[in-house]
Amino acid sequence: RKEVEQDPGPFNVPEGATVAFNCTYSNSASQSFFWYRQDCRKEPKLLMSVYSSGNEDGRFTAQLNRASQYISLLIRDSKLSDSATYLCVVNIDTGNQFYFGTGTSLTVIP
Amino acid sequence: EAQVTQNPRYLITVTGKKLTVTCSQNMNHEYMSWYRQDPGLGLRQIYYSMNVEVTDKGDVPEGYKVSRKEKRNFPLILESPSPNQTSLYFCASSPTGVYGYTFGSGTRLTVV
Repeated sequence: RKEVEQDPGPFNVPEGATVAFNCTYSNSASQSFFWYRQDCRKEPKLLMSVYSSGNEDGRFTAQLNRASQYISLLIRDSKLSDSATYLCVVNIDTGNQFYFGTGTSLTVIP
Repeated sequence: EAQVTQNPRYLITVTGKKLTVTCSQNMNHEYMSWYRQDPGLGLRQIYYSMNVEVTDKGDVPEGYKVSRKEKRNFPLILESPSPNQTSLYFCASSPTGVYGYTFGSGTRLTVV
C-alpha cells in the first residue's frame, strides 16, 4: 500500500472556480504534512505546510484530518497561473523520510 | 540567494560508465536527500543524510551511492549506470524534518 495517495486528475476548471484536492496517508504516526506545487519539467516548490488547526495563505487553504488520515487543499478564485501539478507530502517521524504523492494535475481554463 | 544547486542539468551516458551528479546547498541545512521522479510513480527517495557522515537508504537505493563529507555537498554516484536508471533526479535540503524540502532544479539522466 502506498504511503500517500492522491487522485491524479486531471482537474480542468474555469478561471475563478474553486477547486479542492484530497490526499490520504496510511501511517498514523505521520508528523508533518505539506503541499508542493510542480510546474512541468521543473522542481517541486513548497506551497504550504499543513497544520492540525488548518491554515490559509491567500486563496489557498489547507486542512488536516488526523482521525481520517487525509489532508486537503482548497484553491479559491483560480487563476491561469495556478495550472500545475500539486503534490501531497507526508513526513513520518520528523526525520528525513518524506513521502510524496504522485500528484494531482490542475489546468485552469480561460 | 538561498538555493540548492545540482549539476549537470542534462546528462546522456552509456551503460556501465560511472557518473556523479553533484549537489550543493548554501543554507547550512542539516538534512539533504536525493529523489528520482518517474511518470506514474512520483518522487521516490533514493538516499538521505541527516548530517555530515550520516547517510541512510531511502526507498530505492539499489545502484546508487552517496557521501556527505561536508555539510553543503551531497553527491549522488552511479557506479555502473543501467537504462532503468534513466530518470529525473532531484536533490533537496531541509533544516529539519519539520520543515519542507527545498529542491534543486533537477538532473535529467538518460542511460543508453
